[in-house]
Amino acid sequence: GEQVEQLPSILRVQEGSSASINCTYENSASNYFPWYKQEPGENPKLIIDIRSNMERKQTQGLIVLLDKKAKRFSLHITDTQPGDSAMYFCAASVDSNYQLIWGSGTKLIIKP
Amino acid sequence: AQTIHQWPVAEIKAVGSPLSLGCTIKGKSSPNLYWYWQATGGTLQQLFYSITVGQVESVVQLNLSASRPKDDQFILSTEKLLLSHSGFYLCAWSLGNEQYFGPGTRLTVL
Repeated sequence: GEQVEQLPSILRVQEGSSASINCTYENSASNYFPWYKQEPGENPKLIIDIRSNMERKQTQGLIVLLDKKAKRFSLHITDTQPGDSAMYFCAASVDSNYQLIWGSGTKLIIKP
Repeated sequence: AQTIHQWPVAEIKAVGSPLSLGCTIKGKSSPNLYWYWQATGGTLQQLFYSITVGQVESVVQLNLSASRPKDDQFILSTEKLLLSHSGFYLCAWSLGNEQYFGPGTRLTVL
């Protein structure tokens, strides 16, 4: 199996609150999990990633959690701001493979 | 200085016409290169990847082809465009796991 499922497809949160996006993967050999943010009309930008030797990574208001047993990883955005409104994509890959398997994306809307 | 350039920025083409999109990487030696396609509001679909000059692997068939004539250049083309080719074409590079995207080319097929 090579699919990555991403939920929810749309997420509306109040400014200042937290937002969480979840992804599950099928290939147990997956060992690299990036998250990308894409604003309208722009290219996707890598915002944070995690490798399989870690369970948690944090940078600048972003937290990524990885549960290898459940084959699940998640992105948490704390203290959301209007600039966080965008599409977010998760992906998974295996080192020996040159493919990233992408989730279907989450549209995050920050309500003022 | 921008590492990755794509040309053209946007293109409007007729069904059945040929297409050539380009991608150039500056300042990186022997990067892995990738072509992606994204429908409006859709996810990213990897089309091709290349780990060395002259070698291109296809990930999904969309009546497109790719070539890597130089270490820093990746070309996407087709002889005959279909309506379904409309979308956002993104080139990306990597030296490890992390992939970095170019600005993209927006293609409209009429």
